[in-house]
Amino acid sequence: DAGVIQSPRHEVTEMGQEVTLRCKPISGHNSLFWYRQTMMRGLELLIYFNNNVPIDDSGMPEDRFSAKMPNASFSTLKIQPSEPRDSAVYFCASSFSEGGEQYFGPGTRLTVT
Amino acid sequence: KNQVEQSPQSLIILEGKNCTLQCNYTVSPFSNLRWYKQDTGRGPVSLTIMTFSENTKSNGRYTATLDADTKQSSLHITASQLSDSASYICVVTLSGGYNKLIFGAGTRLAVHP
Repeated sequence: DAGVIQSPRHEVTEMGQEVTLRCKPISGHNSLFWYRQTMMRGLELLIYFNNNVPIDDSGMPEDRFSAKMPNASFSTLKIQPSEPRDSAVYFCASSFSEGGEQYFGPGTRLTVT
Repeated sequence: KNQVEQSPQSLIILEGKNCTLQCNYTVSPFSNLRWYKQDTGRGPVSLTIMTFSENTKSNGRYTATLDADTKQSSLHITASQLSDSASYICVVTLSGGYNKLIFGAGTRLAVHP
């Protein structure tokens, strides 16, 4: 298995632009998580999907952030409009079942100038 | 408040030496505790997992201990190698619901030749 796949690996954009991050979970996994990692705050959960349905989005910073999971093999995290404080590494993780071990993707390093 | 605190924040050791990383948590109710290794530019990878009834778990040169009474855990690395240079993150699973992960800030370990 290729593991969790994220794209792009690096994204540099200007403030105010729309950013879309993509994730393909491990095949057969029914739980998907989006995390953000910064030096100041470490890893923070943004949103959790189970069977393509958002279960916990309490970590989404504000309305500029949105996430979708249209099917079991694809999810997106969108930031519109982006701001410099959104600069971070965004990780996607998936697990076989709710509460199961989470497998992390390689992350997307986002820089907003 | 559910928190995971790690010490030290960073550590430098010489190749071949042993080291111990510490983790204190206040997460309740507790399900399990994991230690993750995160190489630079990569996603976290699970090293060990312990439930409250387990007080030690080994994975090669990595040995984790857990004292559920004092809510403390440690990760001991034996005969360190240059490839051990990474961040080590203590993660506690919150029992109930979808078993949300609570992350520590990590200890950044550098192994020098």
